[in-house]
This record gives sequence, structure tokens and C-alpha cells, in this order.
Amino acid sequence: GNSVTQMEGPVTLSEEAFLTINCTYTATGYPSLFWYVQYPGEGLQLLLKATKADDKGSNKGFEATYRKETTSFHLEKGSVQVSDSAVYFCALHSGGGADGLTFGKGTHLIIQP
Amino acid sequence: SQTIHQWPATLVQPVGSPLSLECTVEGTSNPNLYWYRQAAGRGLQLLFYSVGIGQISSEVPQNLSASRPQDRQFILSSKKLLLSDSGFYLCAWSVILGGRDGYTFGSGTRLTVV
Repeated sequence: GNSVTQMEGPVTLSEEAFLTINCTYTATGYPSLFWYVQYPGEGLQLLLKATKADDKGSNKGFEATYRKETTSFHLEKGSVQVSDSAVYFCALHSGGGADGLTFGKGTHLIIQP
Repeated sequence: SQTIHQWPATLVQPVGSPLSLECTVEGTSNPNLYWYRQAAGRGLQLLFYSVGIGQISSEVPQNLSASRPQDRQFILSSKKLLLSDSGFYLCAWSVILGGRDGYTFGSGTRLTVV
């Protein structure tokens, strides 16, 4: 079956540090890949997505590249801010049906000033 | 533009009491609607989805039920809450069933059963 694996954290960084949150997946076929962000006390927001191999999704300074050869979709940002503190979820969509979206367990990111 | 509203934001209920959480979507027609639960330290678990009025599918057996009385209204209910029902409940919608286009989530309801 489909699965998504990501570091759970918490990941603690200083402001302006470089961020990488690893995400690897197992899926049949050619999944679409997503990163969602959940700020404290809120629901999830779609941060970026990539629908095919070698695509790069980007938004708000965050980037992730769909690597089929390593089945990965690592999230990166060159210089994080305190306002980036949140929980980040990697997810994939593969196949049809309502249960097509598989989420990782989320990575809690804490940015210290 | 499309928006999704979910309420209440927080709820504390005693064991054995009933539950009703409501979710409404604006700015779109015939959305696919979903209820997810996020338990502490866990990822998201799909509870129910609906492709249309009166059409409910359950992904996991549980103490909860869902209803869709109107096109853009999705309700999560329970007749008698259990301690294990505590968690963060999220409503979501998508154009394409299963979320290949991405989900739009509501702001969530934090339910504590005491």
C-alpha cells in the first residue's frame, strides 16, 4: 500500500537557518506529491505540490522537488523565519477513490529568534 | 472565492454526551467533502467522505456518523461520546474526489472528551 515517511521532530532551528524536512514515499503508479502546513490552532493549508517526476513545487520561499529515483519530496527553505513555526505534512495522491490522499505523521518545526 | 467554515473551534464534552460538528462550504457547488481526525502524535485519519447530498462513505468503523443534508453542509455526529473520540477534527473539500488537486481544509475543531 501507499505510505509516507517523514521525520517527526520537533525540529528546532534558529532564524535565518537553512531548512530541510525529509519526506520519502512508497506508492504504486505515479503519485502526485504535496506539502501541507498547519499553523498553531489552525487547519491544514496546501503549501506546494508537484504532479510528476522532476517537477519542483514552490511557495512562500519553500521548495520541494519530486525525485522518482529516490522516491523523495524533501521540503527546503533557504532562510527560515519565526513565522514558519508550524507542523508540516508530506502527502501523496495515488489512484482513484476518496482515500487516495495519504499523509505522513507531520514534522513539528520550531524557529527560535 | 471558495471558503470553508467549521465550528465550534473548541469543545469539551463529557463521556456519553452527544456530538454535532458542522462544516459548510461557500463558493462552489457539488464539492467532495471529508471529515478527518488528527489524534495527538498521529497523522490524519480519514473518517468519512461524501460525493453528494445524502451520500456518505465511512472509512473506519467507529462511534461516529456523518450526514450531508445539503450540498455544501457536512455534519459529524455521535450519540454517545467516548474518551477515545478526543482529537482535532478537520473538515475538507476538493473538486476531484481523493484530493489529486489538493484539499482545502477548515480551521478544525478541538474536541476533548472528559
